[in-house]
Amino acid sequence: GAVVSQHPSRVICKSGTSVKIECRSLDFQATTMFWYRQFPKQSLMLMATSNEGSKATYEQGVEKDKFLINHASLTLSTLTVTSAHPEDSSFYICSARDSLGQFFGPGTRLTVL
Amino acid sequence: AQRVTQPEKLLSVFKGAPVELKCNYSYSGSPELFWYVQYSRQRLQLLLRHISRESIKGFTADLNKGETSFHLKKPFAQEEDSAMYYCALLTGANNLFFGTGTRLTVIP
Repeated sequence: GAVVSQHPSRVICKSGTSVKIECRSLDFQATTMFWYRQFPKQSLMLMATSNEGSKATYEQGVEKDKFLINHASLTLSTLTVTSAHPEDSSFYICSARDSLGQFFGPGTRLTVL
Repeated sequence: AQRVTQPEKLLSVFKGAPVELKCNYSYSGSPELFWYVQYSRQRLQLLLRHISRESIKGFTADLNKGETSFHLKKPFAQEEDSAMYYCALLTGANNLFFGTGTRLTVIP
């Protein structure tokens, strides 16, 4: 199956700083990528749909100015958590879809001190 | 609005016993349903999708529109089946909507 990578796998930052997470589709081109958030022992919650060359579509309740998404190419989408606070600590997972299905990255664990 | 319900957070069965992970959905459109699995320390991966009607690793799932269910079944559980299982619904907006997941433990 297709491979989706994420970098970094984990990050610890101070409150108020911004953190960028990269998501890449390694062996296929993804016009659409998805960003999910997963709290401990809870399900994946879709945050936004990232479209190559256009603005991301955010789910209700997700602050677009807080979670900046850029999909600059067919293989790369980035999520920037701006002015991070402890409540932003979570597991962030990206996903990309091709004709065979939807494939997930390994996730990035963000801890905001 | 769509909803995916997995009533069991935890499920334990003995090796060799049958296993059924329940999933019920609510969706106004024509549903397309999936089961995803996450093994320990691994990423989420697709297990099966209802439209392909396939059997993967001995698992099957049948879409029952009358009962709005998509239960995952396996006749003889194996230890390597221990994992987190998520039922998911693909909406008309092409977004995957996940249930809360069931952690399956197969006891040797």
